[in-house]
Amino acid sequence: AQSVTQLGSHVSVSEGALVLLRCNYSSSVPPYLFWYVQYPNQGLQLLLKYTTGATLVKGINGFEAEFKKSETSFHLTKPSAHMSDAAEYFCAVRSGYSTLTFGKGTMLLVSP
Amino acid sequence: EPEVTQTPSHQVTQMGQEVILRCVPISNHLYFYWYRQILGQKVEFLVSFYNNEISEKSEIFDDQFSVERPDGSNFTLKIRSTKLEDSAMYFCASSQQGVMNTEAFFGQGTRLTVV
Repeated sequence: AQSVTQLGSHVSVSEGALVLLRCNYSSSVPPYLFWYVQYPNQGLQLLLKYTTGATLVKGINGFEAEFKKSETSFHLTKPSAHMSDAAEYFCAVRSGYSTLTFGKGTMLLVSP
Repeated sequence: EPEVTQTPSHQVTQMGQEVILRCVPISNHLYFYWYRQILGQKVEFLVSFYNNEISEKSEIFDDQFSVERPDGSNFTLKIRSTKLEDSAMYFCASSQQGVMNTEAFFGQGTRLTVV
């Protein structure tokens, strides 16, 4: 069975600081991994995904994530946080041909 | 930009009542999904729908749940006899192909409150 663990329900950073949101996964098949973002009163939006190939994946809004098989991790990073990055972030792993298993989500708070 | 729309944004219902949550997927998408998130818990997969039939479903999706694409544009989730524990945010999503090949686009969600 597939599962996702996101460490930290809330992460607080200052504007301009590094953003690091942690995601560890468990998968019985080669993992396909995703990060979604949810801004207030909006739906889930795909930030980036890893399927095969290059392990460092770049997404929208300056975010990137690195797939590390040995650590079963797919942490999300951004070098410099903006106020507009404040949102909830969800890590997910493929769990079927057409389905995803999500983590609990991490709320990113950005202070001036 | 095309988007998935869900109505209503918030629904309050009494325990035991039937509710129908409505979704309009993106028009050229072929796969449709329902997920839910109970407050403070994970986003959980409920069901996927392709070619007018259920392609995958979770153990949450029991006999009290059903899905339908009644008119080629709407995609609905019916809960026959709601329970308190059905209170959650319900997300509809659609994709052109399975999620590994194309992005799944999610709606804003319907917050269901069962009282």
